[in-house]
Amino acid sequence: SQKIEQNSEALNIQEGKTATLTCNYTNYSPAYLQWYRQDPGRGPVFLLLIRENEKEKRKERLKVTFDTTLKQSLFHITASQPADSATYLCAHPRGSGGGADGLTFGKGTHLIIQP
Amino acid sequence: NAGVTQTPKFQVLKTGQSMTLQCAQDMNHNSMYWYRQDPGMGLRLIYYSASEGTTDKGEVPNGYNVSRLNKREFSLRLESAAPSQTSVYFCASSETLGASYNSPLHFGNGTRLTVT
Repeated sequence: SQKIEQNSEALNIQEGKTATLTCNYTNYSPAYLQWYRQDPGRGPVFLLLIRENEKEKRKERLKVTFDTTLKQSLFHITASQPADSATYLCAHPRGSGGGADGLTFGKGTHLIIQP
Repeated sequence: NAGVTQTPKFQVLKTGQSMTLQCAQDMNHNSMYWYRQDPGMGLRLIYYSASEGTTDKGEVPNGYNVSRLNKREFSLRLESAAPSQTSVYFCASSETLGASYNSPLHFGNGTRLTVT
């Protein structure tokens, strides 16, 4: 079955440094990966989508890479700020329908940016 | 523009009671989803509706039923609640229709359900 693995332990980073989160997937070759941010008591919020033919995608201080050989995506936050503290979720389509049948999510990585 | 609205925000049920969780979206999205989120388990798909008039099972459908009332609304029903259904329930919607490559999910803020 499809599986997405994220480091479920908390990641502590000092303010101003780059935070790097890892997402590994198995038994599947997704057409794209998505990254979400979730704050306590709130629903996940979409951040970035990267397709299988894209090596890298950027949005402001965020950068996502997609390595189909390693079956891995890396999510970077540069110049991190305490406001970036949240849980970050990686997801890919459940099946070949591009997402019409939903996304499979990893358990998320809790990121803490310390001032 | 409210996005995805879920009601109620909190609910406590006794074992065996029934209830319906409501979800509505105002983005004219085709697809809607129900997920549950449990500590250590992440988000798991319960049911989804790829388009108005269709519903399908996800990973963990047992004990639940759904109704796609119209394009805007997608409800989740627990007929006989069990303690194992204690969870946070999230509704989501997306524009997805077929193999779309730009179909992020838009989530509501969840219903926190406790079954005693």
